[in-house]
Formats: sequence, C-alpha cells, structure tokens
Amino acid sequence: EPEVTQTPSHQVTQMGQEVILRCVPISNHLYFYWYRQILGQKVEFLVSFYNNEISEKSEIFDDQFSVERPDGSNFTLKIRSTKLEDSAMYFCASSNQGRSDQPQHFGDGTRLSIL
Amino acid sequence: SQKIEQNSEALNIQEGKTATLTCNYTNYSPAYLQWYRQDPGRGPVFLLLIRENEKEKRKERLKVTFDTTLKQSLFHITASQPADSATYLCALDNGSGGYQKVTFGTGTKLQVIP
Repeated sequence: EPEVTQTPSHQVTQMGQEVILRCVPISNHLYFYWYRQILGQKVEFLVSFYNNEISEKSEIFDDQFSVERPDGSNFTLKIRSTKLEDSAMYFCASSNQGRSDQPQHFGDGTRLSIL
Repeated sequence: SQKIEQNSEALNIQEGKTATLTCNYTNYSPAYLQWYRQDPGRGPVFLLLIRENEKEKRKERLKVTFDTTLKQSLFHITASQPADSATYLCALDNGSGGYQKVTFGTGTKLQVIP
C-alpha cells in the first residue's frame, strides 16, 4: 500500500539554526499537510498546501515557517530560526481530493529536538 | 471557542469486552467526523469517517455513532484484543473554501488487558 515517507526520522538542531523537514507524499495525491505534536499533547494542524499555494494555516504557522514543493515528489517544511519550543514530532500528510469527507494519510513523523 | 474533547485520557478494559470511547465537540457544525488510531512514535492512521446524516457506521469490529444534536460521537471496538491497544483520536474539519483544516481531539489511550 502506498505510504507517506518522512526524513529524517530524528533531527537534532541548535537553537537559532534553520531546519528543513522532508516528506514524500503518496504519488497521486494533490493536497499536502503538516502537523506537529508536542510530547504528550495533541496533534495540531500547521498548514495545508495545494497547487503550489498555502490553502489554510494555523496561528502556529508564523513567519518562521515556510513550505515548499521543490519538485514533483517532495514536500518540505522549513523553520528559519528554531526555538526550544519548536521541539516536537512533525507529521506530514497527504490526501487525494482534499475534501472534508476524505481521509488524510500520515507519515511516521520527524522528531525535532532543539538544543 | 471551538473545542473537541475526548473525555477519557485513558481507558483500560479486559480482552474480549467492548471498548467505548467518547468524543464531544462545541462550536462546530461538522458535516463529517473522523476517527484515527495512533501508535507510540507513529503517525495517525485513518479508521472511519461518518457523515452528519449517518447515525452509525461499521467496519469489522469497529462501530461509530454520530449525534449532531448531542454534538457527540461514540467509537466502539467489540471483542477487543491486546493489539487494539493504542491512542484513538477523533477529528473534525474546520477548513473553509473547500480546503481541509483538521482539528484533532486530545485522544483516548486504550489499553486492552489480556
């Protein structure tokens, strides 16, 4: 069964550094998402992306964050200047049609640790 | 403000029994509600979606109900097995303009005891 893959599985970065998290969504999916989950807390929506544009974003997704689809297969999340509170699991997801009645398919996440 | 509450943080049940998990929401008028399973260190996995005009949806040992008057969904696992132990998340879409913006509940951690 096709799956969403994320790399790296664990990223350790010094505070203030830039980090890029990478995702390869399911190949025929057109809608892409990033979520984060701080340890012990709920999964939180960050951003949705369709047709090379952000379609929805949350209050968490401030100017420090950006997303890009640099080629036909990758989808990236960049954090420009990391803070301690950015430490979390970051999940990428994709869906085929992006409608509310469609499930999202998640990767297994990148654990980001900011020192 | 909008809230999704899963009112048991943890639920322990004996193998073979039926597990019932609750999801309550406020200040939403969802057309759909989804349930996901999350194992430790893994991403959520979609289980079931129920529409507002459906009272009940079944898939194998899983059953979901959706009461838009009570603003509540119940998630049942019948004949539970230790392999069902995981965190179960309910989710609602709060997107506009046709784009998804999924909000998850806090989750209920289910432990099935052999």
